[in-house]
Amino acid sequence: QQPVQSPQAVILREGEDAVINCSSSKALYSVHWYRQKHGEAPVFLMILLKGGEQKGHDKISASFNEKKQQSSLYLTASQLSYSGTYFCGTENDDYKLSFGAGTTVTVRA
Amino acid sequence: ETGVTQTPRHLVMGMTNKKSLKCEQHLGHNAMYWYKQSAKKPLELMFVYSLEERVENNSVPSRFSPECPNSSHLFLHLHTLQPEDSALYLCASSQELGQIMQSNTEAFFGQGTRLTVV
Repeated sequence: QQPVQSPQAVILREGEDAVINCSSSKALYSVHWYRQKHGEAPVFLMILLKGGEQKGHDKISASFNEKKQQSSLYLTASQLSYSGTYFCGTENDDYKLSFGAGTTVTVRA
Repeated sequence: ETGVTQTPRHLVMGMTNKKSLKCEQHLGHNAMYWYKQSAKKPLELMFVYSLEERVENNSVPSRFSPECPNSSHLFLHLHTLQPEDSALYLCASSQELGQIMQSNTEAFFGQGTRLTVV
């Protein structure tokens, strides 16, 4: 069962913030976040394992609400380098890593 | 450079051709995956191998045939494909197959093979 991401796309100016949401209809055991730049392979950002866990990576952080079966990725004070497509990958009890459709983030100067 | 190498990077093939995609990793990972990435669609999991055994075939048509001869190599054999099979095919590997509450399931992706079926 693939997770649902929202929004599909977001356009930001440098320094602005954004939130990307990921939700699943099945119980989640972990949530992965990846970023893919055009023509490149997806690159791992972070994994969240426990309900309520939060992690940060520079000014990109994420939270995982196990009960709501949701995760959110927070882009704070966005930089040009944050542009790309962000995918959430969710792991259910079937051990498969399924990905959402992606959220395209464009950061403009 | 993620440590996962895919060849070729681009492939154009006719519907009657037979070709193979290759994926190689020397990260010591035990799990390898094939994903299909089409425009504006989620990454679709096709096949999963763990310790060289196929553990998942996600309802993929038989015109796609995977092969995992050893833990470092994964192939995707293609024959009699359709134009709608045109997509980016991504290989990934992880230390272990996804396990509950484990942190070693981070996936490393290759650059992908851009396949065009004509």
